Amino acid sequence: SQKIEQNSEALNIQEGKTATLTCNYTNYSPAYLQWYRQDPGRGPVFLLLIRENEKEKRKERLKVTFDTTLKQSLFHITASQPADSATYLCALNPYGQNFVFGPGTRLSVLP
Amino acid sequence: DAGVIQSPRHEVTEMGQEVTLRCKPISGHDYLFWYRQTMMRGLELLIYFNNNVPIDDSGMPEDRFSAKMPNASFSTLKIQPSEPRDSAVYFCASSFVGGGLYNEQFFGPGTRLTVL
Repeated sequence: SQKIEQNSEALNIQEGKTATLTCNYTNYSPAYLQWYRQDPGRGPVFLLLIRENEKEKRKERLKVTFDTTLKQSLFHITASQPADSATYLCALNPYGQNFVFGPGTRLSVLP
Repeated sequence: DAGVIQSPRHEVTEMGQEVTLRCKPISGHDYLFWYRQTMMRGLELLIYFNNNVPIDDSGMPEDRFSAKMPNASFSTLKIQPSEPRDSAVYFCASSFVGGGLYNEQFFGPGTRLTVL
């Protein structure tokens, strides 16, 4: 069956450290993958998109990798800050299928 | 641009009543999506439109749910009759694809629906 998993429901890290979030998928062939941030009571906000033929994408303190062999994407936030605390969602755009979101990881950056 | 606008922001209704959720997408966007989010099931795609035409409604849970997009600037999601298990946050999102690959989606603030 098709499945998207994100490494853990919640992740706590210390301010200044690098946060690494994982998105694993099974039985999908995504054309590309997106990462979104969601704050409580608000809609998701787009962060980064990476295509199947790209290995890595960066934007300021954010970095995304995409390994179609491992069927995994890693999302890194370097020099994390308390303001980075939120839920992060990965989303797949599989060929011939609808957009599908992972369950999310709730990140807490402790001061 | 004001972003995606949804109304109402909160809706409390009783079982059996009709509920209508409204969405105004970002001007110029050619795709509109309706999602439902719950703790148990996460964010689920219900239906999406391209240039006002419904493309895929396979995520709509039951015939009690219906969605329309009469023009490029307005869409509704209707639940009739509503049931307690429909309680969730409903999001509308829009994006501009323009014939290329899908792009980022812009989400509205959501409508929190409570069915008693």
